[in-house]
Amino acid sequence: GAVVSQHPSWVICKSGTSVKIECRSLDFQATTMFWYRQFPKQSLMLMATSNEGSKATYEQGVEKDKFLINHASLTLSTLTVTSAHPEDSSFYICSARKDSTGNTIYFGEGSWLTVV
Amino acid sequence: RKEVEQDPGPFNVPEGATVAFNCTYSNSASQSFFWYRQDCRKEPKLLMSVYSSGNEDGRFTAQLNRASQYISLLIRDSKLSDSATYLCAVFKAAGNKLTFGGGTRVLVKP
Repeated sequence: GAVVSQHPSWVICKSGTSVKIECRSLDFQATTMFWYRQFPKQSLMLMATSNEGSKATYEQGVEKDKFLINHASLTLSTLTVTSAHPEDSSFYICSARKDSTGNTIYFGEGSWLTVV
Repeated sequence: RKEVEQDPGPFNVPEGATVAFNCTYSNSASQSFFWYRQDCRKEPKLLMSVYSSGNEDGRFTAQLNRASQYISLLIRDSKLSDSATYLCAVFKAAGNKLTFGGGTRVLVKP
């Protein structure tokens, strides 16, 4: 199947700093990528939908100035957590949509963020 | 009410037994339905899509009931390796988003 790569897998950063997470579709072009966050023992919560060449669509309650999303090419989307705080510590997962049916959505391996 | 809801479990299942669980969704405009499996601290992996006519993949059977707005997953002859959290997901093309349920935890024991 298609492959989505996410980097880094693990990151520890100091409170107040910014962290960038990359999501790449390795063998297909993804016009849409999705960013999710998952806290321990909770489900995946959609943060935003990233469309290539346009602004991301954020879900209600997600601060767009804090979680900066850039989808500069058909194979790369980035999520930057700005001025990170301990409560931002979570599992961040991206997914990429391969075509228009919705049947082919592939997930990256996820990134564990710990803010100390 | 949450858009997609699941019984969190855990469902404690003897090895070799059958287990089934449902997922309800609130938006009748939902178009595509999926079951994902998520292991601890890992990303979700697509288990199967769910079709209106029902579909089977080995020991796994998925059903969709549009009238009652739920999907189901049945696992036959449970293996220890089936222990995981099973997430249902609902896709709406109009909103271009895939929404997940909270997951159902399944523990298969010898």
